[in-house]
Amino acid sequence: DTGVSQNPRHKITKRGQNVTFRCDPISEHNRLYWYRQTLGQGPEFLTYFQNEAQLEKSRLLSDRFSAERPKGSFSTLEIQRTEQGDSAMYLCASRGTTEAFFGQGTRLTVV
Amino acid sequence: AQSVTQLGSHVSVSEGALVLLRCNYSSSVPPYLFWYVQYPNQGLQLLLKYTSAATLVKGINGFEAEFKKSETSFHLTKPSAHMSDAAEYFCAVSEPPPTDKLIFGTGTRLQVFP
Repeated sequence: DTGVSQNPRHKITKRGQNVTFRCDPISEHNRLYWYRQTLGQGPEFLTYFQNEAQLEKSRLLSDRFSAERPKGSFSTLEIQRTEQGDSAMYLCASRGTTEAFFGQGTRLTVV
Repeated sequence: AQSVTQLGSHVSVSEGALVLLRCNYSSSVPPYLFWYVQYPNQGLQLLLKYTSAATLVKGINGFEAEFKKSETSFHLTKPSAHMSDAAEYFCAVSEPPPTDKLIFGTGTRLQVFP
């Protein structure tokens, strides 16, 4: 088990384009979280899955954002019609019994 | 609602000096508290956690933190700073089950001077 894996590590996109990020959690963890971190800030919760069910979404997750976790394994986060304000680090975490393990993150730059 | 406040966005110490990073929490239930470290362009690595057992928690890399309910604090300390400790440190509180999502502070950047 190599921990939580996120791809790509970096993504540069033009405003208005769609982007998709992938997260592969630790295999035995059934809870998966997405967070967003902007420069100089702590991570902020976006959404959470228990197996394949998306159980909570933050108000930060506008209708341009969608997340899935088919079959309760990997998860994808898609942003449609990207805006410059979407530029951030997107972090995925999976949780065992008491603690969350984070991936390396995907840094999105919208130009 | 749960929240954490980290006092001091930047802390500078000399190599070998004491490191003290402050965190105060607000929680309506007995909290689970965490300290994470983040190196540039990396994800977050867990340093230590408090889950209602011993109030003095020891973590990795020589760090420890003490849970003080009367002061609603969970400050992070290390007796002797090393150059490799330079990073961003985040305090976090966990929301109650079933969500268990983390609420983070704004972070403290630690600089270590030779």
